[in-house]
Amino acid sequence: EAEVAQSPRYKITEKSQAVAFWCDPISGHATLYWYRQILGQGPELLVQFQDESVVDDSQLPKDRFSAERLKGVDSTLKIQPAELGDSAMYLCASSPRTSGTDTQYFGPGTRLTVL
Amino acid sequence: AQSVSQHNHHVILSEAASLELGCNYSYGGTVNLFWYVQYPGQHLQLLLKYFSGDPLVKGIKGFEAEFIKSKFSFNLRKPSVQWSDTAEYFCAVNGGNKLTFGTGTQLKVEL
Repeated sequence: EAEVAQSPRYKITEKSQAVAFWCDPISGHATLYWYRQILGQGPELLVQFQDESVVDDSQLPKDRFSAERLKGVDSTLKIQPAELGDSAMYLCASSPRTSGTDTQYFGPGTRLTVL
Repeated sequence: AQSVSQHNHHVILSEAASLELGCNYSYGGTVNLFWYVQYPGQHLQLLLKYFSGDPLVKGIKGFEAEFIKSKFSFNLRKPSVQWSDTAEYFCAVNGGNKLTFGTGTQLKVEL
């Protein structure tokens, strides 16, 4: 069964450093999502792509976070500079289309610890 | 803005007990409703979903959920839980093509 791939699985960094996470969605899925999940809470959408275009980035802290999906396939989420409050699980998901009825398929996540 | 409330944060049951996890949502328009599950060490996966038709939907592993529009609820049920159901369960609502999750319910099933 096809899965969403993410790397790295774990990342420890110091405050003010730059970090980057990578996601490879299920082949053929047009829509890609990045979520942040703080311990004890549900995932919260950061950014949504339809192919290579950003559909929704209203919750992305744009002063330090950036995301791209240049060729409409894999995607990178970057944080620069990282802050202590960025410690969380970063989840990537994909779905065939941007439709409210579509199931989103999640990857294993990247657990970020900022020291 | 849409929101989801899961009132039970931690639930402990014995095997064979019945399960009901509450989920209420707030959204003014048509919604699609989901339950996702995260087993220990695994990624989030779909348990079941509702978007139209019969308000009683059945998912994997014997789970079901009932959409009650008048109560803005989508409670998850299972008649008899197993130890392998130990996991975190998330209710989610999709309104306007944006998925919003609840805070999750940690279920522990004891032998």
